[in-house]
Amino acid sequence: AQTVTQSQPEMSVQEAETVTLSCTYDTSESDYYLFWYKQPPSRQMILVIRQEAYKQQNATENRFSVNFQKAAKSFSLKISDSQLGDAAMYFCAYRPGGVNFGNEKLTFGTGTRLTIIP
Amino acid sequence: DTGVSQDPRHKITKRGQNVTFRCDPISEHNRLYWYRQTLGQGPEFLTYFQNEAQLEKSRLLSDRFSAERPKGSFSTLEIQRTEQGDSAMYLCASSPQPGALSPLHFGNGTRLTVT
Repeated sequence: AQTVTQSQPEMSVQEAETVTLSCTYDTSESDYYLFWYKQPPSRQMILVIRQEAYKQQNATENRFSVNFQKAAKSFSLKISDSQLGDAAMYFCAYRPGGVNFGNEKLTFGTGTRLTIIP
Repeated sequence: DTGVSQDPRHKITKRGQNVTFRCDPISEHNRLYWYRQTLGQGPEFLTYFQNEAQLEKSRLLSDRFSAERPKGSFSTLEIQRTEQGDSAMYLCASSPQPGALSPLHFGNGTRLTVT
């Protein structure tokens, strides 16, 4: 079974600085997708960024970028120029590739609570 | 597009009672998912629907749990004979089509407390 591990329960960063959140995963699959989701307090979870395992290039979305190390099974999220609105729980998630039965569900890590210090 | 709506936001019930939650997905989203999130954990998959068909159920979904999506629009999740271990946030999500490139849109969740 696939597992996702986030070893940093809490992180904090000064506003405008850069922070990196860690995620490792375990899978025997070669085709899969990795995601970072953000869950602000009392608000719905939203997708931050997605990485396809077959792509060597790291995904970027504005101030958010990932460092995807497939051999090491590592998938970290870098947030640049941190803003107060970035304060949230961040979840790393894994999904198998393909359209086979059982491939539709996401496996989430336990999350990292990010605090932005003004 | 008003987003995924879940009702109620909070539910407090006594052990042994039955509860039902409702999820209204984004209009025309074919896929609907239920996840459960306990304190300090990430969401765990429970079940998902393609239109009205329930395609997969997690082993977490005991026989006390049942989910329906009768007309392929809204969905209900019922828990019978609630136990304290059922206390959690129940999240609903929808997507317009299958596949990892179709992002999930989550609702705000229903927080269940079993006393």
